[in-house]
Amino acid sequence: QKEVEQNSGPLSVPEGAIASLNCTYSDRGSQSFFWYRQYSGKSPELIMFIYSNGDKEDGRFTAQLNKASQYVSLLIRDSQPSDSATYLCAVKPYTGGFKTIFGAGTRLFVKA
Amino acid sequence: DGGITQSPKYLFRKEGQNVTLSCEQNLNHDAMYWYRQDPGQGLRLIYYSQIVNDFQKGDIAEGYSVSREKKESFPLTVTSAQKNPTAFYLCASIASGRLDTGELFFGEGSRLTVL
Repeated sequence: QKEVEQNSGPLSVPEGAIASLNCTYSDRGSQSFFWYRQYSGKSPELIMFIYSNGDKEDGRFTAQLNKASQYVSLLIRDSQPSDSATYLCAVKPYTGGFKTIFGAGTRLFVKA
Repeated sequence: DGGITQSPKYLFRKEGQNVTLSCEQNLNHDAMYWYRQDPGQGLRLIYYSQIVNDFQKGDIAEGYSVSREKKESFPLTVTSAQKNPTAFYLCASIASGRLDTGELFFGEGSRLTVL
């Protein structure tokens, strides 16, 4: 089992729709969870982080964390073509020695 | 402006050659990291350093070496022992005092191609 798993996609949604990206992780003691956006050929940029169970909203983005199910998701409301990118889920495991573990990423296409 | 500077952005190497990728940060961060990314894959950790003159192997350290002589600098050498070095290399750092919860700040990356 991979430490952090994501559906590779591509996920295609029409402009204005809600995009839902999912991620599961294996270390039950993980404390910190991140979503990075990566445009083709560019470096990742942080868009959301979440530490506690529940929802965290920031503009059009909502991160959801369920530690019991070891599941974290990212919702993008009112999706725009500029949201088309690869979204990387990242986790800091409890036993990681200050490492951050990344999933393989989900490619999102927003159709105009 | 504070940030992480990686150089060169693009590098071509012949088989059997060692190359060194530069990473410099002016964020005053203690911890620095090197990741490798292959097409369609996530980031894999090569090496990381939490303080000057100390560093640890990540998950794919074979064929790579690093040094951390200054807080601001964390160069990565890709040696001839690395069997498949063509990849996108990313340097990152984490704010001091937030090693266990903080997010990574990334440089713009260096793309290495072996001819």
